[in-house]
Amino acid sequence: AQSVTQLDSQVPVFEEAPVELRCNYSSSVSVYLFWYVQYPNQGLQLLLKYLSGSTLVESINGFEAEFNKSQTSFHLRKPSVHISDTAEYFCAVSDWGYQKVTFGTGTKLQVIP
Amino acid sequence: NAGVTQTPKFRVLKTGQSMTLLCAQDMNHEYMYWYRQDPGMGLRLIHYSVGEGTTAKGEVPDGYNVSRLKKQNFLLGLESAAPSQTSVYFCASRTKKQETQYFGPGTRLLVL
Repeated sequence: AQSVTQLDSQVPVFEEAPVELRCNYSSSVSVYLFWYVQYPNQGLQLLLKYLSGSTLVESINGFEAEFNKSQTSFHLRKPSVHISDTAEYFCAVSDWGYQKVTFGTGTKLQVIP
Repeated sequence: NAGVTQTPKFRVLKTGQSMTLLCAQDMNHEYMYWYRQDPGMGLRLIHYSVGEGTTAKGEVPDGYNVSRLKKQNFLLGLESAAPSQTSVYFCASRTKKQETQYFGPGTRLLVL
């Protein structure tokens, strides 16, 4: 069985400050890892994903996440946040070839002007 | 290309009433999913389908039924609604070859 832990339910941060959203997972096999973002009153959309290869993956809007197998983590970072980054962020894990994805409980990022 | 659409957007039910939520996708995706989202609990998988005519239970299937008679549609039914089913329901779909799921805008259901 696989699981995802997002310890921080809410993270307030000032505009232009850096942010890190933490994600830890557990799985008995190799995994795919994802970060999805949900803007207010919308569905989720993929932010970035790790499937294989380079352990550092980036999104088009400046977020990055690093797969750390030894620490079973996939933390999301951005060096300078913008008001428009205010949203809820979900970490997710899927076993290779598995049909289902397990989502974390989400972290609400609140960017303060 | 509308992506994933959900009908209705919002619904209020009384306890014991039934209803069907419709999910439609125009991307020819093989896999489709129904999730519920509750505060502090993230997304939990209700049922999913890996192809037309096939369905499977997810993490929280009790009280729900599904059908996938056409590849593009995935229906979620509540036979006898309960207040515990008050939630936001999301449908998602993906291709067989790629892991990325595409989500609909959600259906907000209130059961009184």
